[in-house]
Amino acid sequence: GAVVSQHPSRVICKSGTSVKIECRSLDFQATTMFWYRQFPKQSLMLMATSNEGSKATYEQGVEKDKFLINHASLTLSTLTVTSAHPEDSSFYICSATSRGWDTDTQYFGPGTRLTVL
Amino acid sequence: QKEVEQNSGPLSVPEGAIASLNCTYSDRGSQSFFWYRQYSGKSPELIMSIYSNGDKEDGRFTAQLNKASQYVSLLIRDSQPSDSATYLCAVRAGGTSYGKLTFGQGTILTVHP
Repeated sequence: GAVVSQHPSRVICKSGTSVKIECRSLDFQATTMFWYRQFPKQSLMLMATSNEGSKATYEQGVEKDKFLINHASLTLSTLTVTSAHPEDSSFYICSATSRGWDTDTQYFGPGTRLTVL
Repeated sequence: QKEVEQNSGPLSVPEGAIASLNCTYSDRGSQSFFWYRQYSGKSPELIMSIYSNGDKEDGRFTAQLNKASQYVSLLIRDSQPSDSATYLCAVRAGGTSYGKLTFGQGTILTVHP
């Protein structure tokens, strides 16, 4: 149980394009989904927290107009990196907490590696 | 002062030995504590969660929590080369909403045959 998927696993795009990353909870309804970014040899940095049907809460320093988060259902959240630039190249990971049981534990998706040329 | 601190390592232990990973946190009101393992190029996977003072054992893993000292540790018994990874300590502070976690920088563990 508690499986989280992400799509795509890897994406390469040209500078200036937008990239959408999907995060799905496969066998549970996610109360909350989190989006992290991880640069090489660094720890996870929380970008934003999203709850179904409400606006995401962004961490300080994260541009909400650049990193658009939509949490349309209890099993799906999307992160869109708009007008991506090489400095946005990173490993993006989502996580989710369940609704109803073990609401404290975050289960991570496999991550999406974004490379912006 | 960082909110969650770990020794970045690398920590190197021989196969079969006990690996001891440590983590301290600054928020005395923290409620929940987690250890995640992250292999290179992969996302974190949950190893243990602990909420109360004392020890919690799960197979070869034992988590230890001391809230008075604001300290949480992870012991790995009979370490195997497959345990070589980065271990992340994560803490949920008291009063935070929606289960937001703060991660340490991770400790790199290498188990050599």
